Amino acid sequence: DTEVTQTPKHLVMGMTNKKSLKCEQHMGHRAMYWYKQKAKKPPELMFVYSYEKLSINESVPSRFSPECPNSSLLNLHLHALQPEDSALYLCASSQDPPLAGVNEQFFGPGTRLTVL
Amino acid sequence: QKEVEQNSGPLSVPEGAIASLNCTYSDRGSQSFFWYRQYSGKSPELIMFIYSNGDKEDGRFTAQLNKASQYVSLLIRDSQPSDSATYLCAVIGLTGGGNKLTFGTGTQLKVEL
Repeated sequence: DTEVTQTPKHLVMGMTNKKSLKCEQHMGHRAMYWYKQKAKKPPELMFVYSYEKLSINESVPSRFSPECPNSSLLNLHLHALQPEDSALYLCASSQDPPLAGVNEQFFGPGTRLTVL
Repeated sequence: QKEVEQNSGPLSVPEGAIASLNCTYSDRGSQSFFWYRQYSGKSPELIMFIYSNGDKEDGRFTAQLNKASQYVSLLIRDSQPSDSATYLCAVIGLTGGGNKLTFGTGTQLKVEL
């Protein structure tokens, strides 16, 4: 089973709203990732969690706040977003962190976010 | 120079033909190489990974890696209309922190009836 699930599938929010994106995997993977993808562009890495600890923050604005409550869950808290933050937000996981062992990343279906 | 380069396409091939997708990368220390397929509006799906020089076959797909030339390719045999998608090459390298997956811009493949 290589399933990563994400909720919600779609989200529309205003610039003053606070919302959260959720990601879950039950494959025992030790690394989890958030990516942002704009139309006709490749995914851009935002955050990496290894063994439930934040290991990479790709200089993401503080209006995006990641959280890893346990080894199976990854959240992305959103606050005071801008219209240009509208994109497909993808969660991924891998058995091991990128430079160790089994590092193939499997993506969830994504959350399509629209900021009005 | 971009870290991972792909021809954006579209690459058009007739049904039943071999589709050849190419990718070059700049980090000579790169260790892991992946091909993802992405249908419009969907998330990327991992279809092949390769770590060692040479060929790796899985069904109709063959990944080829040449580290000396910093080149990785994906061959799709007996192409089907359902193969029409964007194919993303991705690399885990050593530069820029190294511990992340860097994507090329993708090649759009169209398989025509």
